Amino acid sequence: EPEVTQTPSHQVTQMGQEVILRCVPISNHLYFYWYRQILGQKVEFLVSFYNNEISEKSEIFDDQFSVERPDGSNFTLKIRSTKLEDSAMYFCASRKGGVGEQYFGPGTRLTVT
Amino acid sequence: GDSVTQMEGPVTLSEEAFLTINCTYTATGYPSLFWYVQYPGEGLQLLLKATKADDKGSNKGFEATYRKETTSFHLEKGSVQVSDSAVYFCALYIIQGAQKLVFGQGTRLTINP
Repeated sequence: EPEVTQTPSHQVTQMGQEVILRCVPISNHLYFYWYRQILGQKVEFLVSFYNNEISEKSEIFDDQFSVERPDGSNFTLKIRSTKLEDSAMYFCASRKGGVGEQYFGPGTRLTVT
Repeated sequence: GDSVTQMEGPVTLSEEAFLTINCTYTATGYPSLFWYVQYPGEGLQLLLKATKADDKGSNKGFEATYRKETTSFHLEKGSVQVSDSAVYFCALYIIQGAQKLVFGQGTRLTINP
């Protein structure tokens, strides 16, 4: 069964460094998402992406964040200058289209020290 | 704004016990409601859903009924198994626009043999 994959599973970085989190959505899906979960808190929507552009973003998704689909398979989330409060589990999701289920990856745990 | 509140965890039960995890929501319009489950080391998986009032979603012995009058979507299972140990997330699905999910904080369930 097709699945969403994410790499790395755990990333440790120092404050101020740039990180790129990678996702490979399901191949025939058209809509892509990033969510995050700070430890002990809710899973929060960050951004949605369709047709090579952002379709919606939350107030969390400020200028430090960017997303890209650099080729036909990868979907990336970049944080330019990480802060301690960016430490969280980041989930990628994709859906095919219409009103459909979102399929989630296993997440990348980001730890900023 | 739209929000979801789940009962606090963690929840620990013995095998074959009855399970209820409470979920209430606040939403404008008529969202769809979902329960996602996250097994250790895996991504969020859709467990069940309901798209309109009085619909009952069911899967793997779990059930939840969309109650518009009480704005609730409680998850129930009559006899839990050790393999049900996981984190359960209630979510509402905003159908307009980017179709994002709004999650509750998750409830960790542990079933002891």
